[in-house]
Amino acid sequence: GAVVSQHPSRVICKSGTSVKIECRSLDFQATTMFWYRQFPKQSLMLMATSNEGSKATYEQGVEKDKFLINHASLTLSTLTVTSAHPEDSSFYICSARLAGGSNEQFFGPGTRLTVL
Amino acid sequence: AQKVTQAQTEISVVEKEDVTLDCVYETRDTTYYLFWYKQPPSGELVFLIRRNSFDEQNEISGRYSWNFQKSTSSFNFTITASQVVDSAVYFCAFYQKVTFGTGTKLQVIP
Repeated sequence: GAVVSQHPSRVICKSGTSVKIECRSLDFQATTMFWYRQFPKQSLMLMATSNEGSKATYEQGVEKDKFLINHASLTLSTLTVTSAHPEDSSFYICSARLAGGSNEQFFGPGTRLTVL
Repeated sequence: AQKVTQAQTEISVVEKEDVTLDCVYETRDTTYYLFWYKQPPSGELVFLIRRNSFDEQNEISGRYSWNFQKSTSSFNFTITASQVVDSAVYFCAFYQKVTFGTGTKLQVIP
């Protein structure tokens, strides 16, 4: 089956620093990747949709300058949380959609970010 | 606009009991996909099932079964003879533009 990895799985950083999270599709090409955020005991909220080679589309209320998304290849998308603050602490999950029209998304294992 | 409602926020059952998790969706789309995911305490989303809008056949997989009814816009999930390992948060999700329900936390008490 299609596998999506995320790195790192956990990260703790100081307030004001930037953190990069990688999302990779390991055995398939993904023209579209999605980034979600999940607060404790809440559902997943879509942050942005990233298409390979073009700018990401952000959902309403998500700051594009705060959450930088780069989708440089068909197997890699990165999310950089810039100048992180404690309120950015959350569980970030990416998913990848198979190239070729299928609507199915495959989820990564998530990255738990803690900003001190 | 599309919406997914999981009215049960938390359910507790005693081991070996059957439990049904409800999922109701709203959409104007005629073609869509519905999913169920399990999220154990580790946080990783575990895919359980995908169903497209044209396939209303109910499905059984071991102790898991799903009842998809377009007439009531529901896609309910039943666990038979629940086990402690079933304790998790379960999300129903709707795809065109992906929308997750708020999740149901299931606790199975030994």
